[in-house]
Amino acid sequence: GAGVSQSPRYKVAKRGQDVALRCDPISGHVSLFWYQQALGQGPEFLTYFQNEAQLDKSGLPSDRFFAERPEGSVSTLKIQRTQQEDSAVYLCASRQMWGGRETQYFGPGTRLLVL
Amino acid sequence: QKEVEQNSGPLSVPEGAIASLNCTYSDRGSQSFFWYRQYSGKSPELIMSIYSNGDKEDGRFTAQLNKASQYVSLLIRDSQPSDSATYLCAVNSMNNNAGNMLTFGGGTRLMVKP
Repeated sequence: GAGVSQSPRYKVAKRGQDVALRCDPISGHVSLFWYQQALGQGPEFLTYFQNEAQLDKSGLPSDRFFAERPEGSVSTLKIQRTQQEDSAVYLCASRQMWGGRETQYFGPGTRLLVL
Repeated sequence: QKEVEQNSGPLSVPEGAIASLNCTYSDRGSQSFFWYRQYSGKSPELIMSIYSNGDKEDGRFTAQLNKASQYVSLLIRDSQPSDSATYLCAVNSMNNNAGNMLTFGGGTRLMVKP
């Protein structure tokens, strides 16, 4: 595809419900990142994949957050037993590397509201 | 402790003026620096990247980097109302073969008034 796509674009969940957010990176991009952006803040790193390997998950806020990328392309971020503080925009980015320089391209995000 | 700092604004400039956006960072090992523009309700869009000290110009945009002072800035010449957005400074401390993430500042909201 032409860019990073994410689905759903909006998700309303009741507190305690599990949610799954999907990211389709740009074809051929081996690196994929998830970020969380709270209202009025900059994005904050959650986790990073290189192909199917999750190389860094230091940003995941709790063990309720889980991410996977089993075939090295599409990634899913799962949040179990959602809490109100999980309400945020979840951004996925895939990275192009060239000559030691990088560019991260962001998807449109999934806006999660936990009631 | 926030590693990338920006003034949250809003920064208000008249149409046609130069807008100056500033960012400081704490990690001296940082190697890559980016400015993203984010319109309300939209995702960040890369507008400039800079990797070495000095200035880099692209159209109406100029990024400036001073690694000794740990400072990066973005100048927007001939500001237009369509430039009104939040500008995010992002820093990456990539090591060889590492996949380090971007660390973002909180963003500066720019308002260009007609």
